[in-house]
Amino acid sequence: SQKIEQNSEALNIQEGKTATLTCNYTNYSPAYLQWYRQDPGRGPVFLLLIRENEKEKRKERLKVTFDTTLKQSLFHITASQPADSATYLCALRVNTNAGKSTFGDGTTLTVKP
Amino acid sequence: GAGVSQSPRYKVAKRGQDVALRCDPISGHVSLFWYQQALGQGPEFLTYFQNEAQLDKSGLPSDRFFAERPEGSVSTLKIQRTQQEDSAVYLCASSTDELGQNEQFFGPGTRLTVL
Repeated sequence: SQKIEQNSEALNIQEGKTATLTCNYTNYSPAYLQWYRQDPGRGPVFLLLIRENEKEKRKERLKVTFDTTLKQSLFHITASQPADSATYLCALRVNTNAGKSTFGDGTTLTVKP
Repeated sequence: GAGVSQSPRYKVAKRGQDVALRCDPISGHVSLFWYQQALGQGPEFLTYFQNEAQLDKSGLPSDRFFAERPEGSVSTLKIQRTQQEDSAVYLCASSTDELGQNEQFFGPGTRLTVL
């Protein structure tokens, strides 16, 4: 069956360190993968999109990698700040389905000062 | 400009009542999506519109759930005869392109509690 797994429900790190979040999937052939940030009581906010033929994408302190062989995406936040504390969601869009995105359950990141 | 808005923000219903949840997407956005998000979980796809056409409703959990977007802008998600398991946050998102490949802009959600 198809499955998306994001690493550990919670990740705690010290301010200034790099946070690395993992998204693993099985039985998908994603056209692309997106990462979203969600704060309590709010809807998800788009951060980055990476396509199946791309290895890496960067945006300011954010970096996403996509390994279709390992069926894994890594999401990095460098020089983390307490304001980065939130839940981070990965979402897959498969080739054959135009509209549907499938989300993981998210990883809650807490950055301590 | 305004983002995606949803109303009401909170809804409490007695089991068996019908509810209607409204989504106002960003003006001009072609694609509109509905998701259901249970506590501690990621959003689960319910249905997808391209303009007024409902192209995918594979995620609707039962025939008690119905969505429409008659004029290709505002959308309503209706749940008939609500059950306790329907309690969740219902998120609406819109996107500029026809396939929804660009980023999805989410509304704040409607938190539905069924007693």
